[in-house]
Amino acid sequence: GAGVSQSPSNKVTEKGKDVELRCDPISGHTALYWYRQSLGQGLEFLIYFQGNSAPDKSGLPSDRFSAERTGGSVSTLTIQRTQQEDSAVYLCASSVNRGRGNTIYFGEGSWLTVV
Amino acid sequence: AQSVTQPDIHITVSEGASLELRCNYSYGATPYLFWYVQSPGQGLQLLLKYFSGDTLVQGIKGFEAEFKRSQSSFNLRKPSVHWSDAAEYFCAALTGGGNKLTFGTGTQLKVEL
Repeated sequence: GAGVSQSPSNKVTEKGKDVELRCDPISGHTALYWYRQSLGQGLEFLIYFQGNSAPDKSGLPSDRFSAERTGGSVSTLTIQRTQQEDSAVYLCASSVNRGRGNTIYFGEGSWLTVV
Repeated sequence: AQSVTQPDIHITVSEGASLELRCNYSYGATPYLFWYVQSPGQGLQLLLKYFSGDTLVQGIKGFEAEFKRSQSSFNLRKPSVHWSDAAEYFCAALTGGGNKLTFGTGTQLKVEL
């Protein structure tokens, strides 16, 4: 597609439920990133995928968070047993290859509200 | 620790006035630097980037930024602000071997008509 596509754009879920957020990167982009944007917390790096390499999971805040990338394209971020503090905008981004020297393009985000 | 700092949380300017948004970075080597803009309810749009070479970079929407190594700064400027420029602006640096964009906390720009 023309840009990074994320779904759902908005999600309201009850505390304790699991949620899945989807990201379709720009066609041909091998690098994929997930970021979280919380009110008052700014933008936090969560996880990074590059081709077939092991993902960099160093930003995931707890073991309730996981992500996978199937076929080197679409990625799913899963949050288990959601908590109210998980409420945030989850942004996906992609770039042509390893980030250095390449532009990282962002999707419009998935707004998650945990009630 | 490596970091990106945007000292101004909120800035208000009059339409037609000039604008400068500050960004400072703290890294051992020169990072790759970016400015993004986020309008309400929207994702992040890249305004401009600095990788190497000319320290004055031009971006979209009439924005420019100047990399100053001596001041560890990468300030964003626009000579004449338009009401549509009201948004949140984020400075970012590429770190971690190229894996991670580290963001500043953002500057919220308000434009008075």
